[in-house]
Amino acid sequence: AQKVTQAQTEISVVEKEDVTLDCVYETRDTTYYLFWYKQPPSGELVFLIRRNSFDEQNEISGRYSWNFQKSTSSFNFTITASQVVDSAVYFCALSDPGTAGNKLTFGGGTRVLVKP
Amino acid sequence: NAGVTQTPKFQVLKTGQSMTLQCAQDMNHEYMSWYRQDPGMGLRLIHYSVGAGITDQGEVPNGYNVSRSTTEDFPLRLLSAAPSQTSVYFCASKGGHGAYEQYFGPGTRLTVT
Repeated sequence: AQKVTQAQTEISVVEKEDVTLDCVYETRDTTYYLFWYKQPPSGELVFLIRRNSFDEQNEISGRYSWNFQKSTSSFNFTITASQVVDSAVYFCALSDPGTAGNKLTFGGGTRVLVKP
Repeated sequence: NAGVTQTPKFQVLKTGQSMTLQCAQDMNHEYMSWYRQDPGMGLRLIHYSVGAGITDQGEVPNGYNVSRSTTEDFPLRLLSAAPSQTSVYFCASKGGHGAYEQYFGPGTRLTVT
């Protein structure tokens, strides 16, 4: 069975601080996909990033960066120079093997509060 | 494109009542799914469909029925509502081969008293 653990339930920072969200996953499959979704206070879910299990290259996109380490089954997400608009719940998710994003298993979420 | 739409946005039911949560997408996506979101538990998959006429169970299917008669629509039916089904329900869709991200609807907040 697949499992995603987000140990941090809530993180509070002051604007312009960096925030790193931890995600640890469990799967027996060799091919899988990992995702981060954002849920702002308005409630909708917004796709942020996808990473394939066979691509460990880390990436930076604007103020967001991701650190995927297959050896430790971790897929951490960092917001650099946080802003109030980054306040949201962030979910890490793992897809069912071989389905390229179908059947997601979500972590419990980390609530990020950015104070001005 | 409207994307993924869900109706109603809010609903209150009494125990034992039945209702259907509506979900529609206008992106011609093959894959559609229903999740429920409970505090501290993230989202859990209820049912999913890989195309019209094809549905399957997810992680928490009990108490829910689905059907997929068209590509666009994927309704979720609660046959006899229970307080344990109080939750926020999200519908999602995803394209076929080469598509990875799921697009979520705005959610339906359901309370069963």
